[in-house]
Amino acid sequence: DVKVTQSSRYLVKRTGEKVFLECVQDMDHENMFWYRQDPGLGLRLIYFSYDVKMKEKGDIPEGYSVSREKKERFSLILESASTNQTSMYLCASSFGVRTEAFFGQGTRLTVV
Amino acid sequence: AQSVTQPDIHITVSEGASLELRCNYSYGATPYLFWYVQSPGQGLQLLLKYFSGDTLVQGIKGFEAEFKRSQSSFNLRKPSVHWSDAAEYFCAVGLYNQGGKLIFGQGTELSVKP
Repeated sequence: DVKVTQSSRYLVKRTGEKVFLECVQDMDHENMFWYRQDPGLGLRLIYFSYDVKMKEKGDIPEGYSVSREKKERFSLILESASTNQTSMYLCASSFGVRTEAFFGQGTRLTVV
Repeated sequence: AQSVTQPDIHITVSEGASLELRCNYSYGATPYLFWYVQSPGQGLQLLLKYFSGDTLVQGIKGFEAEFKRSQSSFNLRKPSVHWSDAAEYFCAVGLYNQGGKLIFGQGTELSVKP
């Protein structure tokens, strides 16, 4: 079975902190994604990576950056956390074009 | 711009009744389409997918969906809903000309009455 693992289920951080959310997949997938999930807004794409060190902005990249130094790991970075970044963050991976994505369990981040 | 619309934010059906969840997409090329389900506190699980061929696709848990190109729709159906189907359902479109980027709709929350 494909496994996408997010490092934390719950995280509480202070405003202004630099926050790292980590995601690891074990299936040699080319693509990896970070989404933010908010009630009534569905899943919004923050960043997408289609290869190591390659990334593309999604719909809401402001305030976020990403890093993909190894194929299996995709990190989401909040440079200076703000309260409006309190949300559920979902990581996913896929083989590439015309394939489904597999999701991690999510990280519920609260910024206080 | 590409987009996915799920017009119904919340639907309530009685157990045993039929279900249809609507999904419309906007994409200039032939899409590939997905339905995912998310139970409370869980990640997303794939219900079914459409890539090509037969426009009626079968998925897990008794769900099916029909692709209608003329209506840009991919509605999800189930003939008889069970209480365990209460969850949030997401429709998604894959953009093959953008490296496989996935765009999701807003989600439909399904409640099931006993």
